[in-house]
Amino acid sequence: DTGVSQDPRHKITKRGQNVTFRCDPISEHNRLYWYRQTLGQGPEFLTYFQNEAQLEKSRLLSDRFSAERPKGSFSTLEIQRTEQGDSAMYLCASSLTGTNTEAFFGQGTRLTVV
Amino acid sequence: KNQVEQSPQSLIILEGKNCTLQCNYTVSPFSNLRWYKQDTGRGPVSLTIMTFSENTKSNGRYTATLDADTKQSSLHITASQLSDSASYICVVSAQSAAGNKLTFGGGTRVLVKP
Repeated sequence: DTGVSQDPRHKITKRGQNVTFRCDPISEHNRLYWYRQTLGQGPEFLTYFQNEAQLEKSRLLSDRFSAERPKGSFSTLEIQRTEQGDSAMYLCASSLTGTNTEAFFGQGTRLTVV
Repeated sequence: KNQVEQSPQSLIILEGKNCTLQCNYTVSPFSNLRWYKQDTGRGPVSLTIMTFSENTKSNGRYTATLDADTKQSSLHITASQLSDSASYICVVSAQSAAGNKLTFGGGTRVLVKP
């Protein structure tokens, strides 16, 4: 158990519906990352927080995607008007500040859009 | 563009045998390189981390090497076990004003057969 928890572990939704995922990082970690991983591929960067500030967003994060970390602790990732192409594993990771600190990953949320 | 390429994409080895996975990267400015192990349906777990000045790092039966001049890394698995069946992902960290950004390779899927 890495200490990063994600909820839910699995989500099946109909195309066009909105979904929200939650990530609880390791408590003292001030950095939080979201990644998306499709089958057989490595994770792709989506966005990154330092405390409550969202410092970087990937071009993969379209207007339908939004992430928040309101109090610098847990984070949510919302996908509006889901499409079949959104089906993937959504991974959250957290780390301390520093050059060579390790990122610890959660178990991921597997989204299936039908 | 920062990229991390891994080879082979997949391999099958017999229990007890050794294998070597390759990682080539074009990430700048380089901060560190990590190898992660990802079991099916789970988040990645760190195996090793190497900075620019380190050229080898071991973690049990896993030994990683780094050649910063040629921008290549390898992960050697000695005396493979069935539990080594997983995806192995090479992750290179680039320094940025917003903190380290991780670039993931596509992974090598290893299947250890009895």
